[in-house]
Amino acid sequence: EDKVVQSPLSLVVHEGDTVTLNCSYEVTNFRSLLWYKQEKKAPTFLFMLTSSGIEKKSGRLSSILDKKELFSILNITATQTGDSAIYLCAGLGNNNDMRFGAGTRLTVKP
Amino acid sequence: DTGVSQNPRHKITKRGQNVTFRCDPISEHNRLYWYRQTLGQGPEFLTYFQNEAQLEKSRLLSDRFSAERPKGSFSTLEIQRTEQGDSAMYLCASSFMEETGTQYFGPGTRLLVL
Repeated sequence: EDKVVQSPLSLVVHEGDTVTLNCSYEVTNFRSLLWYKQEKKAPTFLFMLTSSGIEKKSGRLSSILDKKELFSILNITATQTGDSAIYLCAGLGNNNDMRFGAGTRLTVKP
Repeated sequence: DTGVSQNPRHKITKRGQNVTFRCDPISEHNRLYWYRQTLGQGPEFLTYFQNEAQLEKSRLLSDRFSAERPKGSFSTLEIQRTEQGDSAMYLCASSFMEETGTQYFGPGTRLLVL
């Protein structure tokens, strides 16, 4: 059965710290790995990773995929209190349904 | 605001009642998805539509659940004979067919079954 496992489940850091969030996946006919940020309500899209070893960046956030090890990481540098959220990882297979992990709850303290 | 909208935002019902939720996707998007999210978990896929065709249904979608997208625009999700275990946030998302991974989520409908 397909599964996506995220670690850690929760993380508390101080502003300015760098964090690394982990995501391992087992998805049948894997196509892409997605990262979403969920604050109060709706998840918002961050990254879609399809190719191994190519880093995607958006400001202080970056992510990379390792298709051999079935693993992805999301890095956030110089964290700010506004980065506090649940970060969701999801695997997308050929059948177009996304399998989400349970998320990592990040709390950034001032 | 041209994002995904969902109504109602909250619903409290008694066990055994039927409930219906509505989702209005981004108008240009031809794919529409329904998810369920419980506390401490990520969204769980329920079903998706491409235009008006329902193409995939999760085994989570018991026969008490039905979804429609009659004209390929808005969608409804109905739960019949609600059970306490149905209490959750129901999220709708939409995307272009070619960009399934880039889904735009609505604010969700929070259901509480008493």
